[in-house]
Amino acid sequence: DIQMTQSPSSLSASVGDRVTITCRASQSITNYLNWYQHKPGKAPKLLIYAASSLQSGVPSRFSGSGSGTDFSLTISGLQPADFATYYCQQSYSVPLTFGGGTKVEIK
Amino acid sequence: QVQLQQAGPGLVKPSQTLSLTCAISGDSVSSNYAAWTWIRQSPSRGLEWLGRTYYRSRWYNEYAVSVRGRITVNPDTSENQFSLQLNSVTPEDTAVYFCARDFNGDTSPPLFDFWGQGTLVTVSS
Repeated sequence: DIQMTQSPSSLSASVGDRVTITCRASQSITNYLNWYQHKPGKAPKLLIYAASSLQSGVPSRFSGSGSGTDFSLTISGLQPADFATYYCQQSYSVPLTFGGGTKVEIK
Repeated sequence: QVQLQQAGPGLVKPSQTLSLTCAISGDSVSSNYAAWTWIRQSPSRGLEWLGRTYYRSRWYNEYAVSVRGRITVNPDTSENQFSLQLNSVTPEDTAVYFCARDFNGDTSPPLFDFWGQGTLVTVSS
């Protein structure tokens, strides 16, 4: 199985801050990496697919980068609606696996 | 627009079977571009992929090792839905269960683009 390791597991930030979350795969997954935002009581929402492509309707302050084993999600100018938990997910091979999540909290 | 609507009980007794369905609108369970998937979330396990069913000239099923032997994901073409059955449940199976579409188009790697609303299933006597 491909292990996905996210860091940090949580962070505190202020509105307007630039935030970066990293995700490392235990083997190369080329660009088969997706990012999701999850809020309590709701379904996860796809933000970024194929490592760097912005899903339709997602604000441009979200961006993704990386390939191979190392990836990152950046939020440029954190907004109140962005306080949530973020997960990376590899779609390279079954079993599909998620990172442990990064909870973004208000400072 | 694809919509997934989950149904099923929120309380299951230990050793019994957890059963959920996911009704699809805006797509077909027999789509050649989708795999219909069950995922769960719990504080101890985070997001965990459980299994999926998909049609590529014939039906395929794939399951996570952690639940293999206890899980069945079945398509229902007459109702355009799919189901999850998890046998011999224990309190460790308490989680929020989601159904999702795993879309594998021609221009990008696979992704989960549509999700059900989630069902909290508690395993308790």
